[in-house]
Amino acid sequence: KAGVTQTPRYLIKTRGQQVTLSCSPISGHRSVSWYQQTPGQGLQFLFEYFSETQRNKGNFPGRFSGRQFSNSRSEMNVSTLELGDSALYLCASSISGVPSYEQYFGPGTRLTVT
Amino acid sequence: AQSVTQLGSHVSVSEGALVLLRCNYSSSVPPYLFWYVQYPNQGLQLLLKYTTGATLVKGINGFEAEFKKSETSFHLTKPSAHMSDAAEYFCAVRRSGNTPLVFGKGTRLSVIA
Repeated sequence: KAGVTQTPRYLIKTRGQQVTLSCSPISGHRSVSWYQQTPGQGLQFLFEYFSETQRNKGNFPGRFSGRQFSNSRSEMNVSTLELGDSALYLCASSISGVPSYEQYFGPGTRLTVT
Repeated sequence: AQSVTQLGSHVSVSEGALVLLRCNYSSSVPPYLFWYVQYPNQGLQLLLKYTTGATLVKGINGFEAEFKKSETSFHLTKPSAHMSDAAEYFCAVRRSGNTPLVFGKGTRLSVIA
């Protein structure tokens, strides 16, 4: 079974631009979560989707948004990019939204904002 | 609110020595606990998890962890370190209900030949 895939793997953007990152979960998984990983802040939760509905949202500004499609694929969008948005963005999928179920992570998208 | 503390941002061990990575959590209710490993330029891979039942949990690659409620700890151990174990390790906690997974800051493990 194929793992979680994220596209693109690397991205360079300029301050003020917007970006869309994509995540395809493991087949059959209905829950998708997004995390931002930086050396200073570590792994921070962005949001979680289950069956196209946002279940949880982390403490990030409204510039960060996401959505999930009927096939469970998910996208996250960051508008008006800032230098501090440079990070590794990780997507994780789970078979359901039940907390005891493990999340499977993709390789991440490395975003660099210049 | 739940939180996770990993003691030691960097741990260095000799090849063949015991690996001990510490994790303490705070949670108002019994949590679900996870250990993940991250190799350079990769995502996170699940090593093991504790949900209910037996408090000693065995995972992949010879790792295990013991849930100690009285100490609010979930330390990760491996009897004998291999060079391939060099990576960053993250402890994570999640409560029941509609709450997200919360990660510790991570511990970078170096293995010396």
